[in-house]
Amino acid sequence: DTEVTQTPKHLVMGMTNKKSLKCEQHMGHRAMYWYKQKAKKPPELMFVYSYEKLSINESVPSRFSPECPNSSLLNLHLHALQPEDSALYLCASSQDERSADTQYFGPGTRLTVL
Amino acid sequence: EDQVTQSPEALRLQEGESSSLNCSYTVSGLRGLFWYRQDPGKGPEFLFTLYSAGEEKEKERLKATLTKKESFLHITAPKPEDSATYLCAAGVDGGSQGNLIFGKGTKLSVKP
Repeated sequence: DTEVTQTPKHLVMGMTNKKSLKCEQHMGHRAMYWYKQKAKKPPELMFVYSYEKLSINESVPSRFSPECPNSSLLNLHLHALQPEDSALYLCASSQDERSADTQYFGPGTRLTVL
Repeated sequence: EDQVTQSPEALRLQEGESSSLNCSYTVSGLRGLFWYRQDPGKGPEFLFTLYSAGEEKEKERLKATLTKKESFLHITAPKPEDSATYLCAAGVDGGSQGNLIFGKGTKLSVKP
C-alpha cells in the first residue's frame, strides 16, 4: 500500500481565518513533505520532516506553520493567508530523507483564499 | 546549477500512436530519476524510479529508460486514459536532502 491521504480535498478561507490541512500515511515512512503547486507549474517544496523533526524550511512565510504530531501525521496550519497563497497543497512521504528515496504524494488539498 | 528539462511541453497523439517523452538532466550527482503522472487537480502518481544508466522499467503501456544525460518515457499504443501531465524529477547529491528537482512536465493528450 503506497497511500497518502489528505483532508480536506477543498478549502475556501478568508484572509483572517485560521485553518489546518492534514496528511496521513501508514507506510512506516520516516520523512514527510509539504509542497505547494500553482497551475501549470511543478510542485515547490515547502517543508521536510525527518523522524518527526523539521529538517528543511524552504524560506516559507510564517503564516504557514507545519506540525508533525507523530510519525504518521503531518499538519499544516494556516493563518492570515493572502490570495496569492491559493494553490494545490500536496503532502508526500518517503522511506527516509535521502535523495534516492521515492516520494509518494497524496491527492492534495485545493486551497482558495478570498 | 542543477537542472531538469522536459520536452516536448505538450504532445498530442492519436490512440495507438506510440511516442516518447524526454527528460534531460544536468546535475552534479544523480541519486534517482523519478517519473510521475499527474491528472488535473490531483497529486502526482508515482510511476518509476531509475537509479543507473542502462536501467529500464515497464508498467503496462509505459517504459522508462535512463542514460547518463537523459531519461525517456516510451508510451506504446496509448489510450485516451493515458492523457495527463507527466513529470520527471531528479534526486541529486549535495542538494537539500529530499529536495527533488522537477522538470516542468509534458502534457500528453491522446485522442480516440
